[in-house]
Amino acid sequence: GQSLEQPSEVTAVEGAIVQINCTYQTSGFYGLSWYQQHDGGAPTFLSYNALDGLEETGRFSSFLSRSDSYGYLLLQELQMKDSASYFCAHTGRRALTFGSGTRLQVQP
Amino acid sequence: DAGVIQSPRHEVTEMGQEVTLRCKPISGHDYLFWYRQTMMRGLELLIYFNNNVPIDDSGMPEDRFSAKMPNASFSTLKIQPSEPRDSAVYFCASSWDYQTGELFFGEGSRLTVL
Repeated sequence: GQSLEQPSEVTAVEGAIVQINCTYQTSGFYGLSWYQQHDGGAPTFLSYNALDGLEETGRFSSFLSRSDSYGYLLLQELQMKDSASYFCAHTGRRALTFGSGTRLQVQP
Repeated sequence: DAGVIQSPRHEVTEMGQEVTLRCKPISGHDYLFWYRQTMMRGLELLIYFNNNVPIDDSGMPEDRFSAKMPNASFSTLKIQPSEPRDSAVYFCASSWDYQTGELFFGEGSRLTVL
């Protein structure tokens, strides 16, 4: 089967760093993606890791360890506008399968 | 580019009625996906197409649901008859190659079945 696990909620303060973890189980795996979704909005793509290691895009970084079936999204210099839900998704035989999402609350 | 366009944005209907949701993917994208989002079940893949051909429809809940893609620029998701448990936000997404991990989502169609 296919499944992804991530924490349901994370709270952090403005300017801080937060890490959202994701573990997955799948019988076929190409890579791990991260998406952001604001309330009432559509999921938007943030990053993709096909290989082990860290990918950096501005304030956001994403990490993958294929041997550990684990990845994380790192958000630095948090801003209020980063308050949203964050989804990991693995790419495999059933296209993209999404985790249940982590709701990030950024407090002043 | 205008992005993925979905209609209607909101639909309220009564149980038993037919519902048709529409999607125009981004031009040049070979893959089109229909997802459903609810609080209980999260984002679920219903079906996806490659070059207008359905590839995986194993996520379609039951025979009441059907999806078509008559050409590269249009797809429909139909529910007949609708039931209250179908209430959800239905997202259409497109991609030139989903193995890049990047899908482009439309704004969604929020369906409420009374």
